[in-house]
Amino acid sequence: AQRVTQPEKLLSVFKGAPVELKCNYSYSGSPELFWYVQYSRQRLQLLLRHISRESIKGFTADLNKGETSFHLKKPFAQEEDSAMYYCALRAFGNEKLTFGTGTRLTIIP
Amino acid sequence: DTGVSQDPRHKITKRGQNVTFRCDPISEHNRLYWYRQTLGQGPEFLTYFQNEAQLEKSRLLSDRFSAERPKGSFSTLEIQRTEQGDSAMYLCASSPEQGLAKNIQYFGAGTRLSVL
Repeated sequence: AQRVTQPEKLLSVFKGAPVELKCNYSYSGSPELFWYVQYSRQRLQLLLRHISRESIKGFTADLNKGETSFHLKKPFAQEEDSAMYYCALRAFGNEKLTFGTGTRLTIIP
Repeated sequence: DTGVSQDPRHKITKRGQNVTFRCDPISEHNRLYWYRQTLGQGPEFLTYFQNEAQLEKSRLLSDRFSAERPKGSFSTLEIQRTEQGDSAMYLCASSPEQGLAKNIQYFGAGTRLSVL
């Protein structure tokens, strides 16, 4: 069975400072990893997925199979980044997403 | 709004009553998912449909829960004899089977259930 761990429930960062939200997973096969974001009073939406290898809103995430991690990074935090962030995993050949418990990111002006 | 639509947004019910939620996926998406989210947790998978076929059910889905997607379009999730532990946000998501957005799940705003 697969598992996703987000060790930080809360993270506060000053505006302009770098951000890193941690995500570790356990899964013996080849996973597909996602970051979903939920802004205040909005629905859960995809931020990025590892196979796209793109930067969205200045965020990037690299899949590290050796460390089984998929940390989300942004070099300079902006106030509009304040939100709830969820890391999710899809196992190969499976359709469901397994989510972590989420990290609430607060950007301090 | 062409996103995933869920109805109702909020439902308050008494313990022991039955409730039914509806989800309308994005029109060209043939895959539909139900998740449940409780306070402080991420969404937990309940069940998945491809067209009208229910292909996977979580062990979380007890016998009191039933989901249908009769024509491969909208879906309903029914909870019979509700219990206080059923209080949660119920999320629906849909995804296309093909194309660049394959495997990206698009979520609805959810139905918040409160069982008194």
